[in-house]
Amino acid sequence: AQSVAQPEDQVNVAEGNPLTVKCTYSVSGNPYLFWYVQYPNRGLQFLLKYITGDNLVKGSYGFEAEFNKSQTSFHLKKPSALVSDSALYFCAVRGSEGNNRLAFGKGNQVVVIP
Amino acid sequence: GAVVSQHPSRVICKSGTSVKIECRSLDFQATTMFWYRQFPKQSLMLMATSNEGSKATYEQGVEKDKFLINHASLTLSTLTVTSAHPEDSSFYICSARQGGESNQPQHFGDGTRLSIL
Repeated sequence: AQSVAQPEDQVNVAEGNPLTVKCTYSVSGNPYLFWYVQYPNRGLQFLLKYITGDNLVKGSYGFEAEFNKSQTSFHLKKPSALVSDSALYFCAVRGSEGNNRLAFGKGNQVVVIP
Repeated sequence: GAVVSQHPSRVICKSGTSVKIECRSLDFQATTMFWYRQFPKQSLMLMATSNEGSKATYEQGVEKDKFLINHASLTLSTLTVTSAHPEDSSFYICSARQGGESNQPQHFGDGTRLSIL
């Protein structure tokens, strides 16, 4: 079965500094990887996905993520964090084989300090 | 594009009341919709997968008679929490996938905060 690990509970970063949120995964077959952001009392907003092709994927709001097959990782990055980026971030994966279920990580709270 | 609308956003009601939550895909057709439950500071827990025109597939431990799911059309799925009790209080989120391919992202509604008194 597919699974996702987001090892950190909270990521603190100063405004203007680079932001990284870590994600590693396990799937059967090829991975389909997604990042979502959740603001308080809201649903999840889709940020970006990796299906195939270039390992560096660019998404919404200046976010990007790098797929690393050998390390089974898909870390989310933003070169310069904004206070408004403070939110809960979820990494998710679905495999090309096995069940069709989307597996979520536990989420990382990002706090951008002004 | 790919907007999912979920209503109501918040419900406060007495114990024993049944509550219906609607999930609509506004600009795409969704043969499959998903219902999640989220506890504070936790990830999403999949409750059931809703398939248009057929019975929903429930996850282990989720009572199908308690959480009734109907997916009557390609743009609408409903979750009814029957005879709700305080332990059913939670944040419920629906999701729909655009297209049938597993490499497509799921799009989420804004959630329903259910509070049972």
